[in-house]
Amino acid sequence: EVQLVESGGVVVQPGGSLRLSCAASGFTFDDYTMHWVRQVPGKGLEWVSLISWSGATTHYADSVKGRFIISRDNSKNSLYLQMNSLRTEDTALYYCAKDAYSSSWSWFDPWGQGTLVTVSS
Amino acid sequence: DIVMTQTPLSLSVTPGQPASISCKSSQSLLHSDGKTYLYWYLQKPGQSPQLLIYEVSNRFSGVPDRFSGSGSRTDFTLRINRVEAEDLGVYYCAQSIQLPLTFGGGTKVEIK
Repeated sequence: EVQLVESGGVVVQPGGSLRLSCAASGFTFDDYTMHWVRQVPGKGLEWVSLISWSGATTHYADSVKGRFIISRDNSKNSLYLQMNSLRTEDTALYYCAKDAYSSSWSWFDPWGQGTLVTVSS
Repeated sequence: DIVMTQTPLSLSVTPGQPASISCKSSQSLLHSDGKTYLYWYLQKPGQSPQLLIYEVSNRFSGVPDRFSGSGSRTDFTLRINRVEAEDLGVYYCAQSIQLPLTFGGGTKVEIK
């Protein structure tokens, strides 16, 4: 069974840093592009970032560019999101999601259960 | 950025009746490779989103055939042939032809 399990979400003060992790299992992790997508509770979905199978290609939403860094460790079947200079508007449930492609991007399936990041003083 | 606009915002449907959701994109989602990069997701209450339809009209594995997608370029529709109680949730359209990847605002489907 393909499974994605996020962790690392906590309450952090504005300006703080946090690293999210996503543990993947049930598929050949280094065959696929991976994504982070976030959702403010009760609101819609916002794509955050993607990383190609090798890690050579990364892209970010403008709202997080320069503050967040996506990375992966294929030897550990893990995806990461380093979040710096956090703002209150970064408060959301963060999902990791598997793409259907390896070097490009398409649809997300599956999604993890999400990890909640709260930025508050 | 490509803006995805869904209508209606919410829908209340009697079980057994059809339902339809519209999604309009601000730019054509038809790629030069001939594919149209439009998807539909359903987020059931308390759950993560799940893929229903990819590339406009292809039902994903395990998706019941009462779900169908249609459309082209900038105008797309998700139809549920006969709504069942388990179909409640928020439906999102999404595009991947251009970064940033974007979603529609969502359509909440309630069961009467």
